Amino acid sequence: QQQVKQSPQSLIVQKGGISIINCAYENTAFDYFPWYQQFPGKGPALLIAIRPDVSEKKEGRFTISFNKSAKQFSLHIMDSQPGDSATYFCAAVVNQGGKLIFGQGTELSVKP
Amino acid sequence: EAQVTQNPRYLITVTGKKLTVTCSQNMNHEYMSWYRQDPGLGLRQIYYSMNVEVTDKGDVPEGYKVSRKEKRNFPLILESPSPNQTSLYFCASRRSGNNYGYTFGSGTRLTVV
Repeated sequence: QQQVKQSPQSLIVQKGGISIINCAYENTAFDYFPWYQQFPGKGPALLIAIRPDVSEKKEGRFTISFNKSAKQFSLHIMDSQPGDSATYFCAAVVNQGGKLIFGQGTELSVKP
Repeated sequence: EAQVTQNPRYLITVTGKKLTVTCSQNMNHEYMSWYRQDPGLGLRQIYYSMNVEVTDKGDVPEGYKVSRKEKRNFPLILESPSPNQTSLYFCASRRSGNNYGYTFGSGTRLTVV
């Protein structure tokens, strides 16, 4: 059972545009919602994370928007650059046990 | 450099031939975990370990074994590999108390023919 659903599966954006990746979850017991970035041939790396009592978190060009009532959260990449081309995974974690549950992943391609 | 090291990076094997993928971390992390990555499915947890001699099943443990005899090492064992275990495998670790900040290895691409 997929507890975190991610869309779209792939995304093509022009340089300078905004990339938006969406995730939805079912389990209201999740304590943190991190995003991981994965470049080809590498393991995923933590990008940014948010707690469910915060509606938005921004780090540079990356912003997480969180809608607790809708059980949805999204990653916005402003001024997208070719170097942002990677696979992005949303995830959710329950503090007790610390198990990380991933979404299906989104392959982002930023065209110059 | 703080890192998680997996070996080998690539492995092609035949059905039924036992294999071990090693994982080592140099960050003194308590928690280690194995994931497999398949297209359209994201990363799914195979096994995890909260500390030495403490291991438990993840979401897809069938066909895999693990052990945690030392804090730094967490090998993944496939006793009798089958083609449906062809996948990209990742080892990850984190310190206790940081429940979402995992450090991942570079992956092991396994093909079972």
